[in-house]
Amino acid sequence: GDSVTQTEGLVTLTKGLPVMLNCTYQTTYSPFLFWYVQHLNEAPKLLLKSSTDNKRTEHQGFYATLHKSSSSFHLQKSSVQLSDSALYFCALSDGGTGSKLSFGKGAKLTVSP
Amino acid sequence: EAAVTQSPRNKVTVTGGNVTLSCRQTNSHNYMYWYRQDTGHGLRLIHYSYGAGNLQIGDVPDGYKATRTTQEDFFLLLELASPSQTSLYFCASSDYSQNTLYFGAGTRLSVL
Repeated sequence: GDSVTQTEGLVTLTKGLPVMLNCTYQTTYSPFLFWYVQHLNEAPKLLLKSSTDNKRTEHQGFYATLHKSSSSFHLQKSSVQLSDSALYFCALSDGGTGSKLSFGKGAKLTVSP
Repeated sequence: EAAVTQSPRNKVTVTGGNVTLSCRQTNSHNYMYWYRQDTGHGLRLIHYSYGAGNLQIGDVPDGYKATRTTQEDFFLLLELASPSQTSLYFCASSDYSQNTLYFGAGTRLSVL
């Protein structure tokens, strides 16, 4: 079945440094990938979603590129801010049977001053 | 923006108890979902629905029933609650063409 792997459980960075959160996936369908962000005591919300193969998508300073050759959709930001502290989930849609999303286990990003 | 309302926001019950979690969306979305969130496991899909009267099995359905009574309303039922069902439960809705989930604020359930 479909699956999403996120390797970093906890990431701690100082403000201003770059970040990359890894996301790899397995699916037999054409992949649609998403990043959701969940701030403390809030609901998850969409951060960005994949476009076509090898095309970068950006939102709020975060960006990611779908690479079908490596089954990856890593999330990056060049300079993290304190407000970026949150839980980040990568998600995969099966597309073929209607928006059923499979989520990774999440990566908790903590940004310190 | 899409509106998904969950109730109650917090619930405490005892082992063997009967619990119903409610979710209402007012966005005319066809799809609704129930997820549970646990540390180290991320978000796991329990049940989902394509529309009123429809029910699809998710990835962790054991111990849960669900019912979609209208396009707006989706319920999650725990008929014999167990401590392993202590969790944060999220309801979500989506329009298939957008392929984006809109989440409710969550229900924190404790089974003692």
